[in-house]
Amino acid sequence: KNEVEQSPQNLTAQEGEFITINCSYSVGISALHWLQQHPGGGIVSLFMLSSGKKKHGRLIATINIQEKHSSLHITASHPRDSAVYICAVWGNQFYFGTGTSLTVIP
Amino acid sequence: DTAVSQTPKYLVTQMGNDKSIKCEQNLGHDTMYWYKQDSKKFLKIMFSYNNKELIINETVPNRFSPKSPDKAHLNLHINSLELGDSAVYFCASSLDHNYGYTFGSGTRLTVV
Repeated sequence: KNEVEQSPQNLTAQEGEFITINCSYSVGISALHWLQQHPGGGIVSLFMLSSGKKKHGRLIATINIQEKHSSLHITASHPRDSAVYICAVWGNQFYFGTGTSLTVIP
Repeated sequence: DTAVSQTPKYLVTQMGNDKSIKCEQNLGHDTMYWYKQDSKKFLKIMFSYNNKELIINETVPNRFSPKSPDKAHLNLHINSLELGDSAVYFCASSLDHNYGYTFGSGTRLTVV
């Protein structure tokens, strides 16, 4: 069993829909990261969280340390949001989720 | 200016060869990383390194070794390449583990 579990694995949405991607982890952490990997392969760091909530444009990330759970929300989704979203945590080492592949259809 | 740059972008080589991938960051970050992304797109950290400590993922074969000539560079040396080493290798940097990090564009290694 992975130390970091993401759901869903695959997600298809219509443009404009509100999207939620979940991440649960089983290790003690000091930071959680949300990464975005575009079809071209490049990886972008979206958020680093240690508590609470962060917002950047249409993206919102939340973390509940007690429940060992984080969510990434995308409001008013757009086809350019199509990518793989990866949750990663830093405990005494990095652990990665297997990613959520998001496709937003026009 | 590219913040984290890796070279080469593509590398095709034969089994048994020794190769290096270079990584440079101009962000003034203290910590650099190497990741491997396999054919199933699963990311795995290989090394994290700053001027104080090298943390090695114990599953990484000792044919892989990081070399850091200075804080801005972390090169990856691979000896005796095997078919299973074919993957995309990403370099990244951050202030430390508790800060957001910046990735390079990746190096696609193909071992034939």
